[in-house]
Amino acid sequence: AQTVTQSQPEMSVQEAETVTLSCTYDTSESDYYLFWYKQPPSRQMILVIRQEAYKQQNATENRFSVNFQKAAKSFSLKISDSQLGDAAMYFCAYRLYSGGGADGLTFGKGTHLIIQP
Amino acid sequence: KAGVTQTPRYLIKTRGQQVTLSCSPISGHRSVSWYQQTPGQGLQFLFEYFSETQRNKGNFPGRFSGRQFSNSRSEMNVSTLELGDSALYLCASSTNPAPYEQYFGPGTRLTVT
Repeated sequence: AQTVTQSQPEMSVQEAETVTLSCTYDTSESDYYLFWYKQPPSRQMILVIRQEAYKQQNATENRFSVNFQKAAKSFSLKISDSQLGDAAMYFCAYRLYSGGGADGLTFGKGTHLIIQP
Repeated sequence: KAGVTQTPRYLIKTRGQQVTLSCSPISGHRSVSWYQQTPGQGLQFLFEYFSETQRNKGNFPGRFSGRQFSNSRSEMNVSTLELGDSALYLCASSTNPAPYEQYFGPGTRLTVT
């Protein structure tokens, strides 16, 4: 079974600074997707960024970028120029692609990101 | 486009009762997945439906079931509720084929007393 590990239960960063959230995963598969989701206090899960395992280029979405190291099974999220609205729980998630479909998401336990004004 | 909607948003039930939760996916999305979120277990995959067929199932007892209708709307049912079923139940929809990113609804908060 696949597992996703987020080793930082909580992180704190000053507004406007950069922070990196760590994620490692365990899988024997080669075709899969990785995601970062954000869950603010409203509890609405919001997709932040996705990465296809077959792509070597790291995904970027505005201030959010990932460092995807497939051999090391590492998938970290970097948030640049942190803003107060970035404060939330961040979940790393894995999804296996298998033939005509994909499995359900496997989530890490989450990292609580605090933004200090 | 309207997002994923879930009803009801909050629910209080008594142990032993059953409950049905509803999810309407984003227009055009044919895949609907359900997740349970609890403080202890975190986010766990329940099941996924695509074109009215259950495609994947997580490791949950048979008390948890679901279905999908021809308009892609989905319902999940929990029978014989237990205290441990208290959780936030999240529904997510996605297109098919890849890349399968899922878009989540606001959730239904179920409290079992």
